[in-house]
Amino acid sequence: EAQVTQNPRYLITVTGKKLTVTCSQNMNHEYMSWYRQDPGLGLRQIYYSMNVEVTDKGDVPEGYKVSRKEKRNFPLILESPSPNQTSLYFCASSLPHNSPLHFGNGTRLTVT
Amino acid sequence: DQQVKQNSPSLSVQEGRISILNCDYTNSMFDYFLWYKKYPAEGPTFLISISSIKDKNEDGRFTVFLNKSAKHLSLHIVPSQPGDSAVYFCAASARKTSGSRLTFGEGTQLTVNP
Repeated sequence: EAQVTQNPRYLITVTGKKLTVTCSQNMNHEYMSWYRQDPGLGLRQIYYSMNVEVTDKGDVPEGYKVSRKEKRNFPLILESPSPNQTSLYFCASSLPHNSPLHFGNGTRLTVT
Repeated sequence: DQQVKQNSPSLSVQEGRISILNCDYTNSMFDYFLWYKKYPAEGPTFLISISSIKDKNEDGRFTVFLNKSAKHLSLHIVPSQPGDSAVYFCAASARKTSGSRLTFGEGTQLTVNP
């Protein structure tokens, strides 16, 4: 089944404790992206990657890192999480040239 | 600044009637527009799209209208069904300058009452 898989689905952590949210897609998509969803703000892009070893900042990149060492994986790294990073995170992938994005089921992160 | 705006956080309609969801944008470089639907505990799923060279695109019960001069698009669902109850996100991209990057609106919660 074609899908984008994120793990974990739920994560509660404390301020400053490094964490990684994994994202993997099995559709051979070049383009991958991370979004966060917050009430009243919709989906805001954090980072995106046009292909392996090519990453770029989205609209809200502060406090996040990503890497794209393989085509299928695009992990999101929070080196020192803070409470304002409490949010619902989505990973997405697509073919290039504006094919529709396929989203994972989300990771609910709470930073206390 | 919010380049894609959905001014109605929620909309409630009766089953069988038309649902109209609205979206406004400010960036004149946007040339491709999409609607996504999101159920609780799931990721958004693609619903329908429209290129700026068109003013209407239809797919079954779903029709998207684009008014470029007003920088406005709308999604019509007719007839509405209870299973359409979800959050709907409008999204836009500027293909020539930003490639695959999408800018999303805030979302509208649609509730279809039986």
